[in-house]
Amino acid sequence: GAGVSQSPSNKVTEKGKDVELRCDPISGHTALYWYRQSLGQGLEFLIYFQGNSAPDKSGLPSDRFSAERTGGSVSTLTIQRTQQEDSAVYLCASSFSGKWDEQFFGPGTRLTVL
Amino acid sequence: DQQVKQNSPSLSVQEGRISILNCDYTNSMFDYFLWYKKYPAEGPTFLISISSIKDKNEDGRFTVFLNKSAKHLSLHIVPSQPGDSAVYFCAAPLPFGNEKLTFGTGTRLTIIP
Repeated sequence: GAGVSQSPSNKVTEKGKDVELRCDPISGHTALYWYRQSLGQGLEFLIYFQGNSAPDKSGLPSDRFSAERTGGSVSTLTIQRTQQEDSAVYLCASSFSGKWDEQFFGPGTRLTVL
Repeated sequence: DQQVKQNSPSLSVQEGRISILNCDYTNSMFDYFLWYKKYPAEGPTFLISISSIKDKNEDGRFTVFLNKSAKHLSLHIVPSQPGDSAVYFCAAPLPFGNEKLTFGTGTRLTIIP
């Protein structure tokens, strides 16, 4: 595909359940970012992968959040024991060089925790 | 703690007129700013940027102005078109980690035909 894709587009889950969100970056892009947008908030940085380097996890809000990137391509963001405050739109972006003005965003996954 | 602030959640402008979207920031170490545009059900797309060594950057109908002393920047769209209706985010790379962006809360612009 031509752009960043994310799945699912919408996810409704019950409090306490685990969820997995998937991101397929643009082919050849070495950098991958996860952001989230909670209601009334700006986009909040979560985690950044660049090539084979250790990811920058400084934005993850709690140890219930984790992410991995397999084979330098697809990434999965996992939220364990979801809470209602985890409800947000989770956005993935990728870039070729890691430069911020070349980030291409996916359409996002809207997560609702009941 | 919002380091980049967009205090107007929404703005309506008549087609053909000028749209002015405002953004304030608190961190004087920010040295680059970006505007992103977001349509519903799509991810944000990069629109225009400005370095702190400039006070103006123009790209077609879009111009961004930076006032460092006031820690304020604005995006001007002239003339406004219906396709400009979207949510606009102001963003800045975090100092010492400039791959990471911090975003404002966005301004929803509606162009009235």
